[in-house]
Amino acid sequence: AQSVAQPEDQVNVAEGNPLTVKCTYSVSGNPYLFWYVQYPNRGLQFLLKYITGDNLVKGSYGFEAEFNKSQTSFHLKKPSALVSDSALYFCAVRVLPKAAGNKLTFGGGTRVLVKP
Amino acid sequence: DAGVTQSPTHLIKTRGQQVTLRCSPKSGHDTVSWYQQALGQGPQFIFQYYEEEERQRGNFPDRFSGHQFPNYSSELNVNALLLGDSALYLCASSRRNTEAFFGQGTRLTVV
Repeated sequence: AQSVAQPEDQVNVAEGNPLTVKCTYSVSGNPYLFWYVQYPNRGLQFLLKYITGDNLVKGSYGFEAEFNKSQTSFHLKKPSALVSDSALYFCAVRVLPKAAGNKLTFGGGTRVLVKP
Repeated sequence: DAGVTQSPTHLIKTRGQQVTLRCSPKSGHDTVSWYQQALGQGPQFIFQYYEEEERQRGNFPDRFSGHQFPNYSSELNVNALLLGDSALYLCASSRRNTEAFFGQGTRLTVV
C-alpha cells in the first residue's frame, strides 16, 4: 500500500518570505512523486515531479522540491512567496513500474496563505 | 492544444438517480483516471482506463462504473446516488509513465 502525509493543514507566510510545504510518503518500491496546486473550484495543476536523478527538482512558477530518500520526504519550496501562490497544494505518489498502473495517492492537502 | 476537458461543470441530482460524467483526454494521451474529491480532502482514486479496459480500481463500490471509447474519451457512471456521493469528480489523463494532467472537474451535488 502507498500513502502520503501532509502534516500541516495550513501554512501562513508573508509575501517575499520563503515558503515550505511538507510531504512524507510511504511506498513499497521506487516512488514517483508529484506536487499539484489547486485554486478554488478548479482542477489540479501540475507543478513538478521526481522520478530519478537529482534530488532537487525544479518546477513551474519558481517552485522546487527536494527528494530525501532516507527521510521519505518530498518537501515543496519557493524562495520568495507571492500573494498569488495562495492556494491548496497536494503531494502525490505512485509506484513504478508501469505494471503497477499509475494510480496516484494524494495527501490531504495543505492550504497556503501568503499575506501581503 | 486543448487540455483535459470535462462535462458538465456542475450537476445537481436527486438521491437514487443515476449520473454520467464525461471526459476528453489531452491530445496524445491514452490513459484516463477518475478521482473523487470530497470537500476539504485530497482526491481519491476511483479507477483507471487504458485500451478501453479498466486496469486499476480504488476502494469504490460497484455503483461506480466507467467506460473508455476508441478515441480515448471516458465516462464515469454512478448509480443509485447517495448524499455522500456529492463531491468534485476529477478526470486525469496521461501517456505511459508521464505525469497526469487534470481537468477542471465536475461538481456533483446530490440532494
